Amino acid sequence: DAKTTQPNSMESNEEEPVHLPCNHSTISGTDYIHWYRQLPSQGPEYVIHGLTSNVNNRMASLAIAEDRKSSTLILHRATLRDAAVYYCIPNTGTASKLTFGTGTRLQVTL
Amino acid sequence: NAGVTQTPKFRILKIGQSMTLQCTQDMNHNYMYWYRQDPGMGLKLIYYSVGAGITDKGEVPNGYNVSRSTTEDFPLRLELAAPSQTSVYFCASSGPGLAIIQYFGAGTRLSVL
Repeated sequence: DAKTTQPNSMESNEEEPVHLPCNHSTISGTDYIHWYRQLPSQGPEYVIHGLTSNVNNRMASLAIAEDRKSSTLILHRATLRDAAVYYCIPNTGTASKLTFGTGTRLQVTL
Repeated sequence: NAGVTQTPKFRILKIGQSMTLQCTQDMNHNYMYWYRQDPGMGLKLIYYSVGAGITDKGEVPNGYNVSRSTTEDFPLRLELAAPSQTSVYFCASSGPGLAIIQYFGAGTRLSVL
């Protein structure tokens, strides 16, 4: 499994952009990069995924480095409801390979 | 949409008791998973299933059993509960594909005393 490194915690002010980094230097060429988040006392929820190109959806954007050894989840305007633990997960696509690390705890303040 | 439903939400067990955590999904997903999450930690995979009648062990299967008789249901059985099984348990499901997206239930908080 590809090993990931994320900061333990980050802080942001509400309405400001947030860039959550992830290092996955051992990622294989066929691994997708998934991001999930876990709100307090809830199950994880899918945020976004990508392979090589940058991706956008209604929740966030994903910027993937050209060498694919790192990626950044971008929340364009953080709100209090975005306070959560964010997990970066390389995924080979097989059923057993979705591995959650400890993620980045994002705090959003007024 | 119901999605993935887990019952019960909370349970307290005595050491040595048994119980079954229920999980059902209404998305016709082939893949289903059981995870546990200890305080301050990430999720660890207990068991998973790629379809009815097929199950396989994940990272931490000891002390648990599963069965998958239907596409919709994937119960997790705890035999002889131990304090080390105190945790939050999450069930998830996903469809097939190269970029598997998992959908999670709200979790079952279990305490073994």
